[in-house]
Amino acid sequence: DAKTTQPNSMESNEEEPVHLPCNHSTISGTDYIHWYRQLPSQGPEYVIHGLTSNVNNRMASLAIAEDRKSSTLILHRATLRDAAVYYCILRDGYGGSQGNLIFGKGTKLSVKP
Amino acid sequence: NAGVMQNPRHLVRRRGQEARLRCSPMKGHSHVYWYRQLPEEGLKFMVYLQKENIIDESGMPKERFSAEFPKEGPSILRIQQVVRGDSAAYFCASSPWTSGTGGEQYFGPGTRLTVT
Repeated sequence: DAKTTQPNSMESNEEEPVHLPCNHSTISGTDYIHWYRQLPSQGPEYVIHGLTSNVNNRMASLAIAEDRKSSTLILHRATLRDAAVYYCILRDGYGGSQGNLIFGKGTKLSVKP
Repeated sequence: NAGVMQNPRHLVRRRGQEARLRCSPMKGHSHVYWYRQLPEEGLKFMVYLQKENIIDESGMPKERFSAEFPKEGPSILRIQQVVRGDSAAYFCASSPWTSGTGGEQYFGPGTRLTVT
């Protein structure tokens, strides 16, 4: 799986939108962009994934650049419960790949009341 | 549909004892993964199993660690003769077989192992 680069930390105010960037300049055509987050003292939690088009679900939105070399996870209204480490991970979708996730250091998001 | 279950949630062992960590995947999931998170560090893959088969154990230490996922029952991660450096949070994840999207994984709450 190709490598991703994320800022070490970000801060946000409660009820404001948060844009978490991820660079993946060596992404291949079959790589899906996945996001997970890990709240303090909990296991990681799947957030969202996409290939080329922007994606929305109840937790977040994923905006993918046209050249796919970067993406942004968008939390529309941050809450205190969104304080977590967010991981951007590329997953090869070719042939139903089932291998392990490769976690980097992620972005630690702090949310101020 | 219950999530991934792990037990015990906390485990204390003295140096030299054995630790057994259990993981019950989500219903319908046939793939299990174990990850380890050392204090203040990121998650590292250890082993990937399907029922009765080890698919990838490239992240597993060569000695003292073993894993199984029997036909019936939970997956077990076994650590023999634990040392202080084994103190960590151990997370299990499961996934169904899916094609084409790279496969989401669903994580359990973890087992926090403390070796005294």
